[in-house]
Amino acid sequence: KQEVTQIPAALSVPEGENLVLNCSFTDSAIYNLQWFRQDPGKGLTSLLLIQSSQREQTSGRLNASLDKSSGRSTLYIAASQPGDSATYLCAVSWSNYQLIWGAGTKLIIKP
Amino acid sequence: NAGVTQTPKFQVLKTGQSMTLQCAQDMNHEYMSWYRQDPGMGLRLIHYSVGAGITDQGEVPNGYNVSRSTTEDFPLRLLSAAPSQTSVYFCASRPGTGVYGTEAFFGQGTRLTVV
Repeated sequence: KQEVTQIPAALSVPEGENLVLNCSFTDSAIYNLQWFRQDPGKGLTSLLLIQSSQREQTSGRLNASLDKSSGRSTLYIAASQPGDSATYLCAVSWSNYQLIWGAGTKLIIKP
Repeated sequence: NAGVTQTPKFQVLKTGQSMTLQCAQDMNHEYMSWYRQDPGMGLRLIHYSVGAGITDQGEVPNGYNVSRSTTEDFPLRLLSAAPSQTSVYFCASRPGTGVYGTEAFFGQGTRLTVV
């Protein structure tokens, strides 16, 4: 069965730290992997999309990596800020019609 | 550029009532889908469509109907609302057939409470 796991479920770090969020998935034959951000009571904001043929993508202070052979992706956030506090969701495509989602990591950045 | 538009944003229903959640996209995407999000769980696929006139069931289809008469619109119907359908619903679209590894775009969600 194709599954996506995000550990830890919650993470609290002081402002300014660099941090890594983890996403693991079964079955390496993915199409792509997307990282999303969700603020409380709000919608989904797409952060980064990594295609199956790519190893990493960068946007500002965010860097996402993909290692299909080990079934892992990481989202690196540099110089964290209180405004980065949100839930981060990892979603994997093994087809064009469905995303399989992790349950998310709730990130709290302490001022 | 509106992207994916969902209405309403919030809704309260009584058990047994019916309603339709609306979803429209203006990107000419072939693939559209509905997900529900429940606390502590990843989003789960309810129904999806690969083009006008073509729909199929996802992981949790019971209690929901869909139709796709146009490329732009993909409404989700709750036939007889139950408290277990209290959730946040997201509509998504992406380019479809013949194009692999495309990005999915999401609406802002509909928060539904069934009492």
